[in-house]
Amino acid sequence: GEDVEQSLFLSVREGDSSVINCTYTDSSSTYLYWYKQEPGAGLQLLTYIFSNMDMKQDQRLTVLLNKKDKHLSLRIADTQTGDSAIYFCAESNKYSSASKIIFGSGTRLSIRP
Amino acid sequence: SAVISQKPSRDICQRGTSLTIQCQVDSQVTMMFWYRQQPGQSLTLIATANQGSEATYESGFVIDKFPISRPNLTFSTLTVSNMSPEDSSIYLCSVAGRLGNTQYFGPGTRLTVL
Repeated sequence: GEDVEQSLFLSVREGDSSVINCTYTDSSSTYLYWYKQEPGAGLQLLTYIFSNMDMKQDQRLTVLLNKKDKHLSLRIADTQTGDSAIYFCAESNKYSSASKIIFGSGTRLSIRP
Repeated sequence: SAVISQKPSRDICQRGTSLTIQCQVDSQVTMMFWYRQQPGQSLTLIATANQGSEATYESGFVIDKFPISRPNLTFSTLTVSNMSPEDSSIYLCSVAGRLGNTQYFGPGTRLTVL
């Protein structure tokens, strides 16, 4: 079945860029998503990208998609303490649209001074 | 995006009891979903809450354990029945965005079963 994989932890210094990576197996992926979960909170949709795009930028966030390698990344520029959270990569495919989103295990981003 | 609220935000329950979680959306939505997030884990879809008909459950989840109601396009409930400590999780509802290609999540209900 479909699988989405991420590294579990990432530590960066405040002010540096954070790059969170994700790989997926579903060749029929239509949309790929990044969600943010702060401690004790639900999931916030940060951004998403359609599979025929290779890049999307939104303020400090840049999403890069390499469809050939099935690799997705999220770059956060000028990382701040408020960016500390778990970041989930997720995908859905053309057969199920948004009704079946497959989530990765999440990457816990910690910020050091 | 829709504003989604859940009640209760957290609860501590005794083994063998049941808890009903409510999800309210500030606008009419076609699709609503219920997820479980076990401690330190990712999200697992429990079921799709269908308005006016029975929910559609994912493999490993059954109606007797997780009955779901969806009386209208803005509200749904999930009941966790006959609870055991293994049911301790965060339960989240979500709704599909207007274009059907995204999901937006509620704040979650943190359940602890003793």
